[in-house]
Amino acid sequence: AQTVTQSQPEMSVQEAETVTLSCTYDTSESDYYLFWYKQPPSRQMILVIRQEAYKQQNATENRFSVNFQKAAKSFSLKISDSQLGDAAMYFCAYKGGSEKLVFGKGMKLTVNP
Amino acid sequence: NAGVMQNPRHLVRRRGQEARLRCSPMKGHSHVYWYRQLPEEGLKFMVYLQKENIIDESGMPKERFSAEFPKEGPSILRIQQVVRGDSAAYFCASSQEEGNGYTFGSGTRLTVV
Repeated sequence: AQTVTQSQPEMSVQEAETVTLSCTYDTSESDYYLFWYKQPPSRQMILVIRQEAYKQQNATENRFSVNFQKAAKSFSLKISDSQLGDAAMYFCAYKGGSEKLVFGKGMKLTVNP
Repeated sequence: NAGVMQNPRHLVRRRGQEARLRCSPMKGHSHVYWYRQLPEEGLKFMVYLQKENIIDESGMPKERFSAEFPKEGPSILRIQQVVRGDSAAYFCASSQEEGNGYTFGSGTRLTVV
């Protein structure tokens, strides 16, 4: 079974600084997708960024970018120029051949003004 | 486009009562997924449905839980004879087709007293 591990339960960053959130996963599949979701206090699950495993190029979405290391099964999220609105729980997720998303336990990000 | 609508937002039930959680997918989406989030945990897959069909219920407890997605109307997650351990946030997501992006609702927080 696939697993997703987020080893840091909490992190903090100063406003305008850069922070990197780590995620590792375990799978025997070769074709899959990886996601980062943001969950603010409103509880809404918001897709931040998505990476297809067959693509070597790291995905980027404005201030958000990933470092996808397929051989190491690592998928970290970098947030540049952190903003107060980035404060939230962040979840790493995996989707392989089935339609299920497998989530990590999440990481709470605090942004200090 | 109203997005994925879940109601109620909060639901309180006494032990032994039934809980009914509703999910209206995004317009044009025919795939619905239910996830459960326990406190301090990531989301865990429960069931995947298409119109009038359960495709994958491997994450759903065998007893007391059922789900449906009728031809007309919202998807319903039904929990009979609720117990305190059922207290959680229940999220619904929808997609247009398999392998495509998921859109999540804001969840229903169920509290069993």
